[in-house]
Amino acid sequence: DAGVIQSPRHEVTEMGQEVTLRCKPISGHNSLFWYRQTMMRGLELLIYFNNNVPIDDSGMPEDRFSAKMPNASFSTLKIQPSEPRDSAVYFCASSLAMQAVGELFFGEGSRLTVL
Amino acid sequence: AQSVTQLDSQVPVFEEAPVELRCNYSSSVSVYLFWYVQYPNQGLQLLLKYLSGSTLVESINGFEAEFNKSQTSFHLRKPSVHISDTAEYFCAVRSSGGSYIPTFGRGTSLIVHP
Repeated sequence: DAGVIQSPRHEVTEMGQEVTLRCKPISGHNSLFWYRQTMMRGLELLIYFNNNVPIDDSGMPEDRFSAKMPNASFSTLKIQPSEPRDSAVYFCASSLAMQAVGELFFGEGSRLTVL
Repeated sequence: AQSVTQLDSQVPVFEEAPVELRCNYSSSVSVYLFWYVQYPNQGLQLLLKYLSGSTLVESINGFEAEFNKSQTSFHLRKPSVHISDTAEYFCAVRSSGGSYIPTFGRGTSLIVHP
């Protein structure tokens, strides 16, 4: 079975441009998480969805960030306009919410560089 | 609220030596505990977990971790490391009820030298 699929794997853009990161969770998983990883801050939870509904977006840094999950098999994280401090690796993860274990399955990440 | 502290940001060790990566947590409720591993340029993947029962849990590649409730610790150990164990290791905790969102530590970089 395919794991969590993220695209693009690498993105280099200029400050002010719009960036869209995409995620396909594991089929059957009903929770989806977006994380950001930087050297300075480590792994930060940005937002998570349960059954396609955003439950907690308190980790979203500011209004420039938005996330959507239009259906159970697709989610996007958008940054508009992008800034150099947004440079990071963005991970998507999915989970079976009703499972007692709560194990997260991570994608390979999207490395974003904003010049 | 819960939190995780990984006491070492980096642990260098020689191949075939033993290693311990330390993790302490705080929580007002009972918890589940996890160790995730992140190899270079990859996402995190579950290494092992403690849910209940035996306080000593093992992974398929020789790592083990022991849940110590009195010391609120979940240290990760391996008696003999390989070059291929070089990676970032994350400890995570989540409550056993209610919110199932795990809280991650800052990570420990294990560097195995030949």
